[in-house]
Amino acid sequence: GESVGLHLPTLSVQEGDNSIINCAYSNSASDYFIWYKQESGKGPQFIIDIRSNMDKRQGQRVTVLLNKTVKHLSLQIAATQPGDSAVYFCAEGGSGGGADGLTFGKGTHLIIQP
Amino acid sequence: DAMVIQNPRYQVTQFGKPVTLSCSQTLNHNVMYWYQQKSSQAPKLLFHYYDKDFNNEADTPDNFQSRRPNTSFCFLDIRSPGLGDAAMYLCATSPNRGGREIQYFGPGTRLLVL
Repeated sequence: GESVGLHLPTLSVQEGDNSIINCAYSNSASDYFIWYKQESGKGPQFIIDIRSNMDKRQGQRVTVLLNKTVKHLSLQIAATQPGDSAVYFCAEGGSGGGADGLTFGKGTHLIIQP
Repeated sequence: DAMVIQNPRYQVTQFGKPVTLSCSQTLNHNVMYWYQQKSSQAPKLLFHYYDKDFNNEADTPDNFQSRRPNTSFCFLDIRSPGLGDAAMYLCATSPNRGGREIQYFGPGTRLLVL
């Protein structure tokens, strides 16, 4: 994903509703994708990952969908809770050529309203 | 609990005064990374170590250096901090290189340059 800009997109949802956070990634050679949650003043926390040989993976209350055709990734959070409020980053990796780090997308600020 | 530890959590330095940030891990991972995260932006990889093999990102300024004296510790040295270097610095680890595994992040060190 392209990491540009100073303003994070914001998604506001009601507590208990489902939320979907979208991410467009940039490198068609990437074969590993991961979602992180980052609360204010803390480091990113792993949520879920997916490899390019899959198009869907489920965790506890979370589902990641991968569409390689359009280079799109989404994170679905079911029955959102106040503790889900955070910034969510997608990241891509595994593109080879000695690139061992992750390339992060710009992030989405999820706000859970009571 | 196995984890990635960063000290200090907050660091204040003066313009041009060298500063060192520390990271340690109890995960016994081979790879350690340093990311820079400016306000409301995504983390950006500065460099990483695979064991003792240092890998610098092409656009990482020469002002940033790193040392890894052993498996557990990695240091980020900023030789002459400028106002633009004020950011959160995140350390992360992964078992192996290749960018296809979860990276485990520390809580970060927030650097303020006066």
